Amino acid sequence: ILNVEQSPQSLHVQEGDSTNFTCSFPSSNFYALHWYRWETAKSPEALFVMTLNGDEKKKGRISATLNTKEGYSYLYIKGSQPEDSATYLCRGTYKYIFGTGTRLKVLA
Amino acid sequence: ETGVTQTPRHLVMGMTNKKSLKCEQHLGHNAMYWYKQSAKKPLELMFVYSLEERVENNSVPSRFSPECPNSSHLFLHLHTLQPEDSALYLCASSQDRGLAGGLSTDTQYFGPGTRLTVL
Repeated sequence: ILNVEQSPQSLHVQEGDSTNFTCSFPSSNFYALHWYRWETAKSPEALFVMTLNGDEKKKGRISATLNTKEGYSYLYIKGSQPEDSATYLCRGTYKYIFGTGTRLKVLA
Repeated sequence: ETGVTQTPRHLVMGMTNKKSLKCEQHLGHNAMYWYKQSAKKPLELMFVYSLEERVENNSVPSRFSPECPNSSHLFLHLHTLQPEDSALYLCASSQDRGLAGGLSTDTQYFGPGTRLTVL
């Protein structure tokens, strides 16, 4: 099984802080990496699909980068807000494997 | 609203019961998925259907039986479950399933899940 790992497992930040977390994946046979946000009591929601080494994608205050050669992707949140509190999941494309997620709590 | 609905949202059942989970997608997608989320574990893929044909069965016990009567509906039939099967069961759909092994850039759209408790 080709594992997808995320770190840290959980994170508390103050409102206004910027933060980032990591998704690591096997670099061999890379195809695409997906980021999702999962708020409590809601459905996981797609953020980004990343395919090319060096890709950088942005959606409002959230952005992501991709390094396929070393097998990692970073998700950044600039100026965190309480509504950013959620679990952030990444998914590799082999056997639809998800990481365990990073649980973010933004304190007001 | 993601366009994927699941019923029921909560289910409590005994080990000898038979029940079914239902998923419906209103997005015109061709692929549908069942995932299981147990406490402190990653989302685990259970089944993948593409154009109503099962294309992935991720070593799931036979007490879980999927059914896909058409591309908009997906069921998970449950019988003689164990307490360790208690979990959140999520349904998802995507435009297509991509290449074999899950090689796809298609976004998955998830339902809200069914919280299952097996007594």
